[in-house]
Amino acid sequence: QVHLLQSGAEVKKPGASVKVSCKVSGYTLSELAIHWVRQAPGKGLEWMGGFDPEEGETIYAQKFRGRLTLTEDTSTDTAYMELRWLRSEDTALYYCTTVNQWLAPFFDYWGQGTLVTASS
Amino acid sequence: EIVLTQSPGTLSLSPGERATLSCRASQSVSSSYLAWYQQKPGQAPRLVIYTAINRATGIPDRFSGSGSGTDFTLTISRLEPDDFAVYYCHQYGSSPRTFGQGTKVEVK
Repeated sequence: QVHLLQSGAEVKKPGASVKVSCKVSGYTLSELAIHWVRQAPGKGLEWMGGFDPEEGETIYAQKFRGRLTLTEDTSTDTAYMELRWLRSEDTALYYCTTVNQWLAPFFDYWGQGTLVTASS
Repeated sequence: EIVLTQSPGTLSLSPGERATLSCRASQSVSSSYLAWYQQKPGQAPRLVIYTAINRATGIPDRFSGSGSGTDFTLTISRLEPDDFAVYYCHQYGSSPRTFGQGTKVEVK
């Protein structure tokens, strides 16, 4: 059973950066592929990016390229999502999620979400 | 990019009724890699169906998925009070991964 524990809520000013963490337990991070999905208030789910095991690299949604960096620290089993040059439209709940490694590459486990508020 | 269009936007039904949710893709979904998620207020999405027809662990058999190509359906045979939520379809067969805009199943 995988458990994902995310860091707490953040309030940032427009133009600033935010870094959200996602601590894995139950498995090691190297056994998993972590992706990030966000949800603006009252809106739907939006895929941001994640590690593609088939390509062996991290892939990003086009709209976030240049502003988003996804990293991992296997020594602490923690994944990170850093979003730079925040805008008010980036106010959202950010989720980390795992790609199933055995059946098909759907998202199976989810973190509890981290609220990021970008406001002056 | 594959655009997923869900219909209806809102479904107003009573407990015990049948719910039929549609997800239409702008192009064929590779390998029927289409999932359905349930989301309740204040909670993370929960996997209901994967690869179009397979129920996730712990999901009751009143939930069923069908479809292939560009047309997919989630059916809840008899709604229980716990089933009222927002449901999203998600395709993971092509990059970028995309989600539908959601269907809210509400109590009539």
